Amino acid sequence: AQKVTQAQTEISVVEKEDVTLDCVYETRDTTYYLFWYKQPPSGELVFLIRRNSFDEQNEISGRYSWNFQKSTSSFNFTITASQVVDSAVYFCALSEARDTGNQFYFGTGTSLTVIP
Amino acid sequence: DAGVTQSPTHLIKTRGQQVTLRCSPKSGHDTVSWYQQALGQGPQFIFQYYEEEERQRGNFPDRFSGHQFPNYSSELNVNALLLGDSALYLCASSLYVGQGNNQPQHFGDGTRLSIL
Repeated sequence: AQKVTQAQTEISVVEKEDVTLDCVYETRDTTYYLFWYKQPPSGELVFLIRRNSFDEQNEISGRYSWNFQKSTSSFNFTITASQVVDSAVYFCALSEARDTGNQFYFGTGTSLTVIP
Repeated sequence: DAGVTQSPTHLIKTRGQQVTLRCSPKSGHDTVSWYQQALGQGPQFIFQYYEEEERQRGNFPDRFSGHQFPNYSSELNVNALLLGDSALYLCASSLYVGQGNNQPQHFGDGTRLSIL
């Protein structure tokens, strides 16, 4: 079973529209971390945000905002007033801590295209 | 401040051969993780190294092995290459700050491995 599910494979929006990327995760751990990464066409994964399982406070950073809800095991990402530079593949990831390290699970990604 | 560097950037091998990929972590980081990213997929966790030992391993066969050196750099070795090993191999580094505290990983640009 997938640990991290990103049901939206591809999304296209017109510039300045808002867009929400969905992420649903599965874990039996009580302590875990969730991440969002952006992968532009150049290929390098760029870290966007980290959230631990005990902090359900939503966060806003400029045009980006994240909605973490443990009750639905979701960690959704919203881009407000999208720009062409936001075009990329976005990955949600889950990290479970083990005694000797961390296991990481990435979703399959959502490809976002912002049309000018 | 040097980020994560990987070499080579591209590599072409034939089935049955062996390959070694290299990674230097971001300055100040001591933990290295390796991922395989097939085209159109999310990164799949191969393993994680800390203090020169493999700490966690994903669902990959023993043909995939690694090493971490005292300067924290790391190598990924793949033996008996298969066509299905063609992928982008990503190295990520982070700083270990204690069990259960998953710091964000910083990724390199990856090595594109093609198997003919």
